[in-house]
Amino acid sequence: NAGVTQTPKFRVLKTGQSMTLLCAQDMNHEYMYWYRQDPGMGLRLIHYSVGEGTTAKGEVPDGYNVSRLKKQNFLLGLESAAPSQTSVYFCASSYELDRQNTNTEAFFGQGTRLTVV
Amino acid sequence: AQSVTQLDSQVPVFEEAPVELRCNYSSSVSVYLFWYVQYPNQGLQLLLKYLSGSTLVKGINGFEAEFNKSQTSFHLRKPSVHISDTAEYFCAVSVRTGGFKTIFGAGTRLFVKA
Repeated sequence: NAGVTQTPKFRVLKTGQSMTLLCAQDMNHEYMYWYRQDPGMGLRLIHYSVGEGTTAKGEVPDGYNVSRLKKQNFLLGLESAAPSQTSVYFCASSYELDRQNTNTEAFFGQGTRLTVV
Repeated sequence: AQSVTQLDSQVPVFEEAPVELRCNYSSSVSVYLFWYVQYPNQGLQLLLKYLSGSTLVKGINGFEAEFNKSQTSFHLRKPSVHISDTAEYFCAVSVRTGGFKTIFGAGTRLFVKA
């Protein structure tokens, strides 16, 4: 039971470098999300996707891009990393929200700890 | 816009004592409400959820929460905590308005002391 898998688990980047975080889910979920977690701020939504080929901005999208080319994968890209992007990044997935569907909760990956120096 | 406020950033409590973690939300549309728990160095896992129906919701590990529409609250309670309940707890609100979002509160760190 893999659930939601994030790679890598840890990464250190220099300012200005680029990288891509990969999220994969094997639950056939329609919705996928990227959050960042910072002390005292909870989880803030970066981008999300309601289906293959579609993405949307969340609360803090600046400096990030995403792609959902396959239903099971959701990629988060940093084109030019900045120290302010040092954070723990969580990917999550869920079924479509519907009051007839009780399986509405999000399933989370284990997180990626990113440090930008 | 929706928002979630967790009124306490840290809650220390002795083992076997009751605990309440407070959550208030604001939204102009109907919401789904969740509580998640995060143990150290792990992702979040669902404790319980409110979608509709009975306002008292029971979750895993003996936790329960009550949805109060008039007070826009969804407080989490446990009658007797254990050391193993030490973790960070997040209240979350999901809405469906021209798309979909889940918004999280800032979290409450529960410390259970022996």
